[in-house]
Amino acid sequence: DAGVIQSPRHEVTEMGQEVTLRCKPISGHNSLFWYRQTMMRGLELLIYFNNNVPIDDSGMPEDRFSAKMPNASFSTLKIQPSEPRDSAVYFCASSPGQGPLHFGNGTRLTVT
Amino acid sequence: ELKVEQNPLFLSMQEGKNYTIYCNYSTTSDRLYWYRQDPGKSLESLFVLLSNGAVKQEGRLMASLDTKARLSTLHITAAVHDLSATYFCAERNQGGSEKLVFGKGTKLTVNP
Repeated sequence: DAGVIQSPRHEVTEMGQEVTLRCKPISGHNSLFWYRQTMMRGLELLIYFNNNVPIDDSGMPEDRFSAKMPNASFSTLKIQPSEPRDSAVYFCASSPGQGPLHFGNGTRLTVT
Repeated sequence: ELKVEQNPLFLSMQEGKNYTIYCNYSTTSDRLYWYRQDPGKSLESLFVLLSNGAVKQEGRLMASLDTKARLSTLHITAAVHDLSATYFCAERNQGGSEKLVFGKGTKLTVNP
């Protein structure tokens, strides 16, 4: 079991650029979550998928953020255009139904 | 709205001492999770508490759940330096979107 795999691990970009974060959940897990972590706001749930369908995207900060899950083994979180306040660590997590979430190693995003 | 409150947010203790971290949550959920995060690392699942009165123990950590009081506790016994980390509790909303909402975390520092 390779765990939840996120890429890239680090991303540094300039304001206004498009950023795409990627996630491969654990095989067999039917729920996928995107979280953002900052010192000021803690862990914030951005969006949650169940069986590849977005269930709750109320945490997506604004229209600049979008997420997709085209199949059970892949999800993306896109920010376009990026802004300095988007700088954070973005975690992807998956779970088998009601079981505990398994987190990836995160992507540290820095927008200058 | 789901709300999870932890206290204290910061805890500095000496090795060998005992202490308890408290987690209050807002709904009638009977499913509570505890996670550990080391600096710069991902989140690691510690406990899943599934029913009122549930108690789980792993080494020097013991977690319990009181659904009537909407309270979970994480008790640390005879703390050691290796327990230094940030501990999060999280509630899973049932019957709705089933998203997992985290508290702000308790940063534990165990001093020799």
